[in-house]
Amino acid sequence: SSELTQDPAVSVALGQTVRITCQGDSLRSYYASWYQQKPGQAPVLVIYGKNNRPSGIPDRFSGSSSGNTASLTITGAQAEDEADYYCNSRDSSGNLQVFGGGTKLTVL
Amino acid sequence: QVQLVQSGAEVKKPGASVKVSCKASGYTFTSYYMHWVRQAPGQGLEWMGIINPSGGSTSYAQKFQGRVTMTRDTSTSTVYMELSSLRSEDTAVYYCARDVRGYYLNYYYYYMDVWGKGTTVTVSS
Repeated sequence: SSELTQDPAVSVALGQTVRITCQGDSLRSYYASWYQQKPGQAPVLVIYGKNNRPSGIPDRFSGSSSGNTASLTITGAQAEDEADYYCNSRDSSGNLQVFGGGTKLTVL
Repeated sequence: QVQLVQSGAEVKKPGASVKVSCKASGYTFTSYYMHWVRQAPGQGLEWMGIINPSGGSTSYAQKFQGRVTMTRDTSTSTVYMELSSLRSEDTAVYYCARDVRGYYLNYYYYYMDVWGKGTTVTVSS
C-alpha cells in the first residue's frame, strides 16, 4: 500500500468545483506535486510547490495543503479534465519518492 | 525545448533483463536528477528510483533493490534503467522524468516537470 492515500474515484458535474485529496504523514514536511494522466498518455505536471502551475496549465487548477493533507482543486471542471490524477511527494523517511494510488475523475 | 526521448518497446522472456534508455536534450544534463517511474496495465504510477547524472549516485525504491540498476552516459546525455530477473508482473510502461527540487516557506518540494513518452516492456514466455 502507498504511503500517500487518495480516493480511487471522484465525480463532478460539468462546470462545478471538485477537490481531490492526498493524505500522508510526509505531507507535513514536503509539498505534494500533482499529475494528470489521460489514457495512453504520459503523466503531465499540473501543480507543484505551494500552489504553482506550469506554463500551459489552466488557472482552474489550484493546490493547497493543510497538516497531512494536500488537495488539488479544479474550479469549473471541463470535459477535458476527465483523467486520472496522482499526487507525489517524499516518503516517510524523506529520502525517496512515492505516488498516491491515483484518483479517477469523471466529469458528468 | 526540453525533451526526453526513450528507447523503443521491448519483449522479454521471464528471467531475462531489459535496459531502457532516456536521452535528454534542451538543458544541461548534469544539472537535474532523473526519475524512473513505471505503470503496469490498468494500475497506478510506481516510483522506481532516481539517478544524479552529475556523479552517478542512485537511490532505489526498496521493492526494486537488487534488481534495478540506473546508470548514465554524460557524453550522450542519456540515462539508463536496467531491470533484471524479469517476471510477468514487470510488464509495464516505463517512464523517465526530470526532477526539480527546491525549498519554500519551511517546506521542501520535489516534482517531475518533463516526462518521456514511455517504453513498453512486455515479459512473456
